[in-house]
Amino acid sequence: AQSVTQLDSHVSVSEGTPVLLRCNYSSSYSPSLFWYVQHPNKGLQLLLKYTSAATLVKGINGFEAEFKKSETSFHLTKPSAHMSDAAEYFCVVSPARAGNMLTFGGGTRLMVKP
Amino acid sequence: EPEVTQTPSHQVTQMGQEVILRCVPISNHLYFYWYRQILGQKVEFLVSFYNNEISEKSEIFDDQFSVERPDGSNFTLKIRSTKLEDSAMYFCASREGPALVDTQYFGPGTRLTVL
Repeated sequence: AQSVTQLDSHVSVSEGTPVLLRCNYSSSYSPSLFWYVQHPNKGLQLLLKYTSAATLVKGINGFEAEFKKSETSFHLTKPSAHMSDAAEYFCVVSPARAGNMLTFGGGTRLMVKP
Repeated sequence: EPEVTQTPSHQVTQMGQEVILRCVPISNHLYFYWYRQILGQKVEFLVSFYNNEISEKSEIFDDQFSVERPDGSNFTLKIRSTKLEDSAMYFCASREGPALVDTQYFGPGTRLTVL
């Protein structure tokens, strides 16, 4: 069984300040972990993924996430928020076996204030 | 960049009617998925499809649901007799292969409203 908990449903930051979106997971298998972003009226876009290589994963648009097995966490960070980062962010887990389904967290809505 | 497309973007139907949601996956992809998101809830897995058959399905995917790849490009989700609780955003996704590094790419979704 696997599950994902996103600890904050809403996060508000000022433009130019750091972003932290928190995610904890549980999985019976060694998981693959993903962050997807959804802008209004758009599909789900992959930001980054962890698949048992380097624990610090860099993604698009300056985002990165660190896999911490001891803490079962995969928090998403960005040093400096931009207005265009305002969106819904989903932490997603998939067990490390081929072709398998994704399990989504509840999502975190990121708001960026000017 | 290739992308997954879905039609229609919004479908309104009466309870008890059949609907077909259509998806065109990325052309060289072999694994196909449907997910749904009821307003205010999590994105939920419905079904995965490979080699012209269902490989996995969730509890949500009951006998009212079916999937088909009628030709080399389309992947469809049919709901035989819609219920009010089927109102949701439905996402199609595709994946090139079975490798762990392979990513699921999502379409923009179809918003289904059942009246």
